[in-house]
Amino acid sequence: DAKTTQPPSMDCAEGRAANLPCNHSTISGNEYVYWYRQIHSQGPQYIIHGLKNNETNEMASLIITEDRKSSTLILPHATLRDTAVYYCIVSGKAAGNKLTFGGGTRVLVKP
Amino acid sequence: DGGITQSPKYLFRKEGQNVTLSCEQNLNHDAMYWYRQDPGQGLRLIYYSQIVNDFQKGDIAEGYSVSREKKESFPLTVTSAQKNPTAFYLCASRNRQGLAEKNIQYFGAGTRLSVL
Repeated sequence: DAKTTQPPSMDCAEGRAANLPCNHSTISGNEYVYWYRQIHSQGPQYIIHGLKNNETNEMASLIITEDRKSSTLILPHATLRDTAVYYCIVSGKAAGNKLTFGGGTRVLVKP
Repeated sequence: DGGITQSPKYLFRKEGQNVTLSCEQNLNHDAMYWYRQDPGQGLRLIYYSQIVNDFQKGDIAEGYSVSREKKESFPLTVTSAQKNPTAFYLCASRNRQGLAEKNIQYFGAGTRLSVL
C-alpha cells in the first residue's frame, strides 16, 4: 500500500472551512484515496473517496492534485461535531482492498 | 436498523484467560475485518474474512483467532498467548459486490478490553 503523510494536528474555527492536507507521493495508478474520521471512542466513519477527479458529497469535498501525489479534504463549514481524528488512506485491489490507518490528523474545531 | 453490532462494550480479562468478542452485521456484507487500536494510535488489522469459512491473517494476528461460520458473524477470540491485550477492538464490514473501488468499510462501536 502507498503510505500517506498527514499533519498530526490542526485547529479550525467553527463555521469556517477546514482544509486537511495529505501527501501520498507513492500512490499507484489503480489506488484510490479514502478519507475516514474517528470521533473520540467511536468507530471510524467513512467520509469520501476518489481516484483522480475531485469529489463532493454531503459531508465534504475531496481535491486530488493532477499528479495524484497529494489531496485535500475540505469540510466547508466546520462545526464542533467535526472535532475528530481524520485519516487519509490509499488502497487498491492489489492490497486486497485493505485499509492501512496511519496516525491521522487530530482536528479541533473551536467556537 | 442496519448496522454492525459489537458486544460487549467493555470486557475484562484475567491472566491466562481466553475471551471472545462478538461482531454481528445485518448489512449482508461479504467481507468482515477486525482491528486493534492502542491509545493515540491508528488502527491495525488483526484478521479479515472475504467470504464464509475463509479468513486471512492481518498485520498483528499473533495471539488472536477468528471463525466465520455465518455471513453475518465474525467473532474474535483473544487468547492467553496475547500478552498485551488491553486495547480498543473494532469490527468492520464491506460489500464486495458491485464496483470494485467501493472499498468502504462500515465500523461497529468497538469493544474496550482491559486486563485485570
